[in-house]
Amino acid sequence: GNSVTQMEGPVTLSEEAFLTINCTYTATGYPSLFWYVQYPGEGLQLLLKATKADDKGSNKGFEATYRKETTSFHLEKGSVQVSDSAVYFCALQTGANNLFFGTGTRLTVIP
Amino acid sequence: DTAVSQTPKYLVTQMGNDKSIKCEQNLGHDTMYWYKQDSKKFLKIMFSYNNKELIINETVPNRFSPKSPDKAHLNLHINSLELGDSAVYFCASSRGQSHSPLHFGNGTRLTVT
Repeated sequence: GNSVTQMEGPVTLSEEAFLTINCTYTATGYPSLFWYVQYPGEGLQLLLKATKADDKGSNKGFEATYRKETTSFHLEKGSVQVSDSAVYFCALQTGANNLFFGTGTRLTVIP
Repeated sequence: DTAVSQTPKYLVTQMGNDKSIKCEQNLGHDTMYWYKQDSKKFLKIMFSYNNKELIINETVPNRFSPKSPDKAHLNLHINSLELGDSAVYFCASSRGQSHSPLHFGNGTRLTVT
């Protein structure tokens, strides 16, 4: 079946620290992979995506590489800011309407 | 200008009541969704519509009924509300292709007392 396993939070980091949020997946076929971010009081927003193996998605200093050999799509950022505090969701999509979300990881960045 | 808008933002009501949440998207997308997010932030898909036709109907009580008058609107009606229905409900839309991301509304926080 299809599923996403995401690093449990919460994660608390100091400003300018390095961030990694792990995400692994199980899928039939060739999924597209996404990271969404949810800021307090808002809906989810697409952060980045990768549609095939070895693709790297990047946005706002965040990066994630589609690793088929390890079935992973870990989210990284070299230097986090207070404004990055949010909940991050890893997701995979195997068809037009088959989107599977991870459980979300809450990140808090302290000054 | 809002791409996916849902109303109301907050909804407080008593058990047993019937309520509706409205959703509209101006992105020209063919597919719309309703998701439920619980207090632990876990997201669960409830319904998916493509061009006004139901595509996904997960295990949701039949007290929940989606209505799509046209492909830009997907409303959610909830009958006989229960305490466990308290959650944040998100509407979303997409082009309906495998690599197309979802665009979410800002959510409706439903509190059943």
